Amino acid sequence: NAGVTQTPKFQVLKTGQSMTLQCAQDMNHEYMSWYRQDPGMGLRLIHYSVGAGITDQGEVPNGYNVSRSTTEDFPLRLLSAAPSQTSVYFCASSYSRDIPSYEQYFGPGTRLTVT
Amino acid sequence: KNEVEQSPQNLTAQEGEFITINCSYSVGISALHWLQQHPGGGIVSLFMLSSGKKKHGRLIATINIQEKHSSLHITASHPRDSAVYICAVRDDRGSGGGADGLTFGKGTHLIIQP
Repeated sequence: NAGVTQTPKFQVLKTGQSMTLQCAQDMNHEYMSWYRQDPGMGLRLIHYSVGAGITDQGEVPNGYNVSRSTTEDFPLRLLSAAPSQTSVYFCASSYSRDIPSYEQYFGPGTRLTVT
Repeated sequence: KNEVEQSPQNLTAQEGEFITINCSYSVGISALHWLQQHPGGGIVSLFMLSSGKKKHGRLIATINIQEKHSSLHITASHPRDSAVYICAVRDDRGSGGGADGLTFGKGTHLIIQP
């Protein structure tokens, strides 16, 4: 298994540009989520999905859209990039949100800089 | 929303020392995770706990549900253990906590010197 994969690893955007961060997992996990990691702060939940066709907002959803058309893929879209979105983005997956005995698997991260 | 506090924020120790990292949280949880993030940035899950104690190699994780506290211990520490260790909790949705996803501590930056 490849686990959780993310592309790209690095990206530089200009303010106002849009882009999609890709995330895929090959473990047939129901639950997928996007987090951002900023210096001096813990990871924060942006959006999550409990299965294909179902998404919901996390703690910091503004400026981001998600969709989940398949179990495997969970892309994160930045609609109009802002410098405040400069961060490292992690995609994570687990078997199920509702079963406590799950393990979280993280992708390698995408380092995004918005100028 | 749960508040997760880790201590210490930074820890430098000599190779071979016994290391303890602490995590406390404010409301009931269904699970607590210990994660490791290496300088390259990748995050790896070390333990998932809902009660008691788990051991994997030189790593030991304990949790006290009543005191809302967990510890991560590293025995015979080695320079390759240098990393950021992150505690994360999943709220007990049955208790009305309701927060989805995980709530993360800010991490403990550990350096083991040879």
